[in-house]
Parts: sequence; structure tokens; C-alpha cells
Amino acid sequence: DSGVTQTPKHLITATGQRVTLRCSPRSGDLSVYWYQQSLDQGLQFLIQYYNGEERAKGNILERFSAQQFPDLHSELNLSSLELGDSALYFCASSPRPGTASGNTIYFGEGSWLTVV
Amino acid sequence: GQNIDQPTEMTATEGAIVQINCTYQTSGFNGLFWYQQHAGEAPTFLSYNVLDGLEEKGRFSSFLSRSKGYSYLLLKELQMKDSASYLCAVWTGGGNKLTFGTGTQLKVEL
Repeated sequence: DSGVTQTPKHLITATGQRVTLRCSPRSGDLSVYWYQQSLDQGLQFLIQYYNGEERAKGNILERFSAQQFPDLHSELNLSSLELGDSALYFCASSPRPGTASGNTIYFGEGSWLTVV
Repeated sequence: GQNIDQPTEMTATEGAIVQINCTYQTSGFNGLFWYQQHAGEAPTFLSYNVLDGLEEKGRFSSFLSRSKGYSYLLLKELQMKDSASYLCAVWTGGGNKLTFGTGTQLKVEL
């Protein structure tokens, strides 16, 4: 158990709909990262937050948005869903960015999204 | 941007040693991670290198050369359960961005 909690574990929804994926980082971790992994694809970096502020953005679609709340949990909002958005969405957390060796980024178990 | 290259697939024999290479081109380097991922599961942390040299952890070792933009993961005494995808990831932007390579699918055979 990495200590990173993601909900829901599985979600099936229709095209055009909107869903929210939730992530609770490990206790004490300030950074949250979101990734998308489509079938047989690599991990695509979406966005990263540190202590409530957006710090880095990857290939995140305009239909997608995220935020990190004061209690440090984060939500990824996916709207106007398309079939191609079906993927495994991972959240990861780390204590603080860019510090010396010993830092580790831990991943949650992921949220399986199926768009039908 | 970041460019990370790994071999797509490798096959090795149970009990043997395998080395998985990773080359990268990036700016603002803050460290390199190796993860193991079984299909449909979360990536599991294996190692982190920020300084040049070899880090050993049980059957797994990881090496980094920052000047060459090169890292490798060494797996010893291979077991069938080591069959998985091994992901190289580079930490940049002051630790705000972790970019993954496409992964190396390792198959361990009898």
C-alpha cells in the first residue's frame, strides 16, 4: 500500500458526460501529479500541484481540469468525455519537489475510466 | 522538452542478469527514477538517482551518468515475477514534472 488513495477504482460513463476523479496523497506529501495511461501506452503526464498551486502542466486537454484543495487532496475533472478518454488515470504524490536523494514519488492504484 | 529512450522489449532467462538502458535529453534535471509496472497495476518505485554512480538495493541496482544523459537498471537473479514493464522517468522543473519513457517490457523465461 503506497498510501496514495484514489477513488473511484472503476467508472463507466457515456460520451459527453463529466466525471471527477479524486486523489488523497500520502500523509505529509505536498505534491500531487496526475497521469493518463491508455491501453498499451506509456504514462502521460497531465498536471502537477504543490501545496494548492499548479506548478507544471503536461499534455492536458482543455476539457480536463484539476485542482488541489487546502487539505491537499486533489480532483481531476474530465468533461465532454470521448471514447478515446478511456484510460487508467493515476495520481502520485511526493513530499517536496527537487530535493536531495531519498525522495520518492508514490503512485495510487489508479482509476479505471471506461467511456461508452 | 524531454526525450527519454528505452528499448521496447527484452527477454532474459530465470536466474540471469539483465541490464535495461535509458537515455535522456532534458533541461533542469532533478533526478531519475526507475519504476516497475505490471499490466493494469500502479507503478512501483524501484530506485532514485540524482548523483552520478551506482545505487544498489537488493537484487536491483541503478546507475546514472548525468554528463552522458544515461542510466541503467540492473536486475540480478531474475525471477519469473520480474516479468513486467520497467519505466525510466526524469524529474525536471525543480521537481514539478516527472516525465516517463515508454517503458521496457521484460519477459523472463525458464
